[in-house]
Amino acid sequence: AQSVTQLGSHVSVSEGALVLLRCNYSSSVPPYLFWYVQYPNQGLQLLLKYTTGATLVKGINGFEAEFKKSETSFHLTKPSAHMSDAAEYFCAVSRSNDYKLSFGAGTTVTVRA
Amino acid sequence: DVKVTQSSRYLVKRTGEKVFLECVQDMDHENMFWYRQDPGLGLRLIYFSYDVKMKEKGDIPEGYSVSREKKERFSLILESASTNQTSMYLCASSLMSNQPQHFGDGTRLSIL
Repeated sequence: AQSVTQLGSHVSVSEGALVLLRCNYSSSVPPYLFWYVQYPNQGLQLLLKYTTGATLVKGINGFEAEFKKSETSFHLTKPSAHMSDAAEYFCAVSRSNDYKLSFGAGTTVTVRA
Repeated sequence: DVKVTQSSRYLVKRTGEKVFLECVQDMDHENMFWYRQDPGLGLRLIYFSYDVKMKEKGDIPEGYSVSREKKERFSLILESASTNQTSMYLCASSLMSNQPQHFGDGTRLSIL
């Protein structure tokens, strides 16, 4: 079974600063990896995904993530935080040919003016 | 865009009641999922369905059942609601395995 660990349940950044959210996974087979964002009182929205190919993945709203197999990591970054980035972020992993996603516990991002 | 619609945003029920949460998707997706979301625990899978009338237990199926009579609709049933089932419930759908899941806006259920 795969598991997902998100380091830090809360991250606070200044507007314009780098956003870095950490995600490590354990999987016995090559994983499919996802980042989702949840704004208050809404469902989850896909930010980006890694399946195969290029290990640096670009997503919506200026976010990107890099798959590092040797480190079993899939950290999410954004060079310059905006107030609208305040939300909860979830990392998720699935195995190939598996319907199910395993989610991390989530990281809440606050952005200081 | 895929639209996943959950019938209620907020719901208050009493212990012992039978509770139905409804979810409809409009993109002919094969797979549908029910999660519950609790602070600090992320999303936990309750049940999923990969075809009409087909269902499989997720990680926390106890106290729940599901129904999928039509491809677009997936219902979650709390047979006899208890206070520990107070939570946010999220429905999702996907076209096939390993494709991203699309989520509804959630139902915040309170059991009194």
